[in-house]
Amino acid sequence: TQLLEQSPQFLSIQEGENLTVYCNSSSVFSSLQWYRQEPGEGPVLLVTVVTGGEVKKLKRLTFQFGDARKDSSLHITAAQTGDTGLYLCADAGGTSYGKLTFGQGTILTVHP
Amino acid sequence: DAGVIQSPRHEVTEMGQEVTLRCKPISGHNSLFWYRQTMMRGLELLIYFNNNVPIDDSGMPEDRFSAKMPNASFSTLKIQPSEPRDSAVYFCASTLKSSYEQYFGPGTRLTVT
Repeated sequence: TQLLEQSPQFLSIQEGENLTVYCNSSSVFSSLQWYRQEPGEGPVLLVTVVTGGEVKKLKRLTFQFGDARKDSSLHITAAQTGDTGLYLCADAGGTSYGKLTFGQGTILTVHP
Repeated sequence: DAGVIQSPRHEVTEMGQEVTLRCKPISGHNSLFWYRQTMMRGLELLIYFNNNVPIDDSGMPEDRFSAKMPNASFSTLKIQPSEPRDSAVYFCASTLKSSYEQYFGPGTRLTVT
């Protein structure tokens, strides 16, 4: 059974700071997704990475996929209060039905 | 499109009562997933359907939990009888089989007293 570990579990920072959160797998990712979940809402897809070494940028967010496809990081530059939420990584491997395996998540709080 | 619709948004019930959670997936999506989220266990997959057929229900915790998808636009998750440890947020998500991008509903916050 694949295990996804996310770190840190909690992160509390001031607006304007930079931060990085990590996702590691016990086995190779088929493809990796990052979701953000705001309080009181369901998770929303941010990005999908497929190729080892891939880097994707989404405004102030930079996603990296490890060369061996067993780890990934999400870097946020100049965090804003609107970035507050739960960040989840997920692996899309294993079946052809769109099933995902989620990590436990990183709870990010950005203070004004 | 209105997105995935779940009802009710909040449910408070007493131990032993039957609880039914409802989900309407996005039109045209052919896979539907039920999740449970708690602080302790994170986001757990309970069951998922493809073309209205249950594919994997290994995440359903006990026989007290059951799920149905009578047609492509409606699914239910039923807990009978409910217990306090069932208190959680229950999410429904849908996707196109080939896409892997899951669209989540807003969730139902269930409290069993």
